[in-house]
Amino acid sequence: NAGVTQTPKFRILKIGQSMTLQCTQDMNHNYMYWYRQDPGMGLKLIYYSVGAGITDKGEVPNGYNVSRSTTEDFPLRLELAAPSQTSVYFCASRASGQGSYEQYFGPGTRLTVT
Amino acid sequence: AQSVTQPDIHITVSEGASLELRCNYSYGATPYLFWYVQSPGQGLQLLLKYFSGDTLVQGIKGFEAEFKRSQSSFNLRKPSVHWSDAAEYFCAVGSVRQGAQKLVFGQGTRLTINP
Repeated sequence: NAGVTQTPKFRILKIGQSMTLQCTQDMNHNYMYWYRQDPGMGLKLIYYSVGAGITDKGEVPNGYNVSRSTTEDFPLRLELAAPSQTSVYFCASRASGQGSYEQYFGPGTRLTVT
Repeated sequence: AQSVTQPDIHITVSEGASLELRCNYSYGATPYLFWYVQSPGQGLQLLLKYFSGDTLVQGIKGFEAEFKRSQSSFNLRKPSVHWSDAAEYFCAVGSVRQGAQKLVFGQGTRLTINP
């Protein structure tokens, strides 16, 4: 049982490049989330999904896109990378049943845009 | 809108000493409350959570937290810290009405342990 996996672990992008951060969970969770973590700022929600085919914006969605074609996968797309997107990105998932409120986090992707 | 404040950005305690990390939240009703821990280079792990009932909740690794509605606080405590407790700690709040579908996180408190 791998839980939540993220690839890559590290990436350096040039300004204007695009990339996709991959997230996969094997717990059959309906809810999935993307956060970014900047130093001293805690975690900010970028996008989330309550099931396959359903996504919604979080607090800081600008510059990002997501899709959810399967229960397992929730990729995050950066189309035109900007230095402001330098951050650590975490994917998380949780079950949807009553009382199943714990979010399980992946190990993160450290992205630098120069 | 929900918000969470962790007033202490960085705390240093000696190994074996007691610990209290503060968390204050802003929410119009009784919230769901969580404490997560993040070890260096790792994702977040749930320490404990409060939904309802007993206001003193026990978590993993010997941590506990107390919900105080009158003070809008959910402080994390441990009677005796170990060097392995050095990490960053995040308090989070979720909406009861929305089933904690989304969480709002505090800024985090970095804990350093002196030997």
